[in-house]
Amino acid sequence: KNQVEQSPQSLIILEGKNCTLQCNYTVSPFSNLRWYKQDTGRGPVSLTIMTFSENTKSNGRYTATLDADTKQSSLHITASQLSDSASYICVVSHERRTGFQKLVFGTGTRLLVSP
Amino acid sequence: AAGVIQSPRHLIKEKRETATLKCYPIPRHDTVYWYQQGPGQDPQFLISFYEKMQSDKGSIPDRFSAQQFSDYHSELNMSSLELGDSALYFCASSFTLAGGYNEQFFGPGTRLTVL
Repeated sequence: KNQVEQSPQSLIILEGKNCTLQCNYTVSPFSNLRWYKQDTGRGPVSLTIMTFSENTKSNGRYTATLDADTKQSSLHITASQLSDSASYICVVSHERRTGFQKLVFGTGTRLLVSP
Repeated sequence: AAGVIQSPRHLIKEKRETATLKCYPIPRHDTVYWYQQGPGQDPQFLISFYEKMQSDKGSIPDRFSAQQFSDYHSELNMSSLELGDSALYFCASSFTLAGGYNEQFFGPGTRLTVL
């Protein structure tokens, strides 16, 4: 079964600190992995997209890693800001023969950055 | 840059009523996806359209139907509404390119409340 699991479920950190979110997936065949940030009641916003050949990708203070062999990914946030408080969702794209990719959403990690 | 537009942003209906949600994709995007996100849950894929044809079907109830029009906007029609249909409904759009990322850009969502 195609699944994406994330940990921790929720996390509270102090402003300015770093944190790392984890994602494990069993989606096959794998196409690409995305990290989204979703503010409460808003649509997910893409942070990074990585294919199996990419190990690391950065977007400002966000750095995602991908290990396609162990089917694990992480999202590292440096120097956290209050505005980083949101849900972070790991999404794996399931390759389809038709060319249309189906997204498998992770359970999300709810991050709260406190002052 | 233009984003995905959804209307209305909020909708309140009573049980057994009908509702129509609209989605306007990013210009030149040819594929539209609909997702349902219940409170505290990850988005669930409902249905997608490519070039006005249904391209994939997820967990869309039989009471729901959707279509994509010649201008590529899409409408999700929901009938015989139930309390459990209360959720955020997201639309996403992409430019479908075989072998490419086919990144989905999400709209702000429509919050449907069924009383």
